[in-house]
Amino acid sequence: KNQVEQSPQSLIILEGKNCTLQCNYTVSPFSNLRWYKQDTGRGPVSLTIMTFSENTKSNGRYTATLDADTKQSSLHITASQLSDSASYICVGTDSGYALNFGKGTSLLVTP
Amino acid sequence: ETGVTQSPTHLIKTRGQQVTLRCSSQSGHNTVSWYQQALGQGPQFIFQYYREEENGRGNFPPRFSGLQFPNYSSELNVNALELDDSALYLCASSWTGSNEQFFGPGTRLTVL
Repeated sequence: KNQVEQSPQSLIILEGKNCTLQCNYTVSPFSNLRWYKQDTGRGPVSLTIMTFSENTKSNGRYTATLDADTKQSSLHITASQLSDSASYICVGTDSGYALNFGKGTSLLVTP
Repeated sequence: ETGVTQSPTHLIKTRGQQVTLRCSSQSGHNTVSWYQQALGQGPQFIFQYYREEENGRGNFPPRFSGLQFPNYSSELNVNALELDDSALYLCASSWTGSNEQFFGPGTRLTVL
């Protein structure tokens, strides 16, 4: 059974600080690993998509890494802003039509 | 904004009723996927439609059904509603062969 586990469940940081979110996945056959940002009550918005051959991908202040050997990914947020407060969801894709979502990490950035 | 729209925004139903949710895909997209997101959980895949036919299905009972129309818009129908069906229902559109799925804002369904 495909599984995606995320940690921590929730995180509070001060504005301007950096943080790193973790994701462990068991998805087979593996196609790609995605990170989404979801504001409360809204649909997820894609941040990064990485295939097994990609180790890192950046999108502005967001940098995702992927270790296909250990089946781990991380999302690093640099110089956090209040608008970064949201749920960050890690997603493993297998067959290409079904996304296997983690439960997300709830991030709160405080002034 | 992704260009994917959903209606209605919110909906309240009672147990045993039926509901229809609607989704208009982003221009140029021919594939629509539906997801159920319970409070505090990640979205769960319900099914996907491509060229008006179901193209894959998650672990949901047959009372969850769907349609896709020639303009690629889609409906999700749920019969015999149960309390546990209360959730945010998301649709996502994509173009076949693309890795990218674009999500709509969701419909919040509450079953009393």
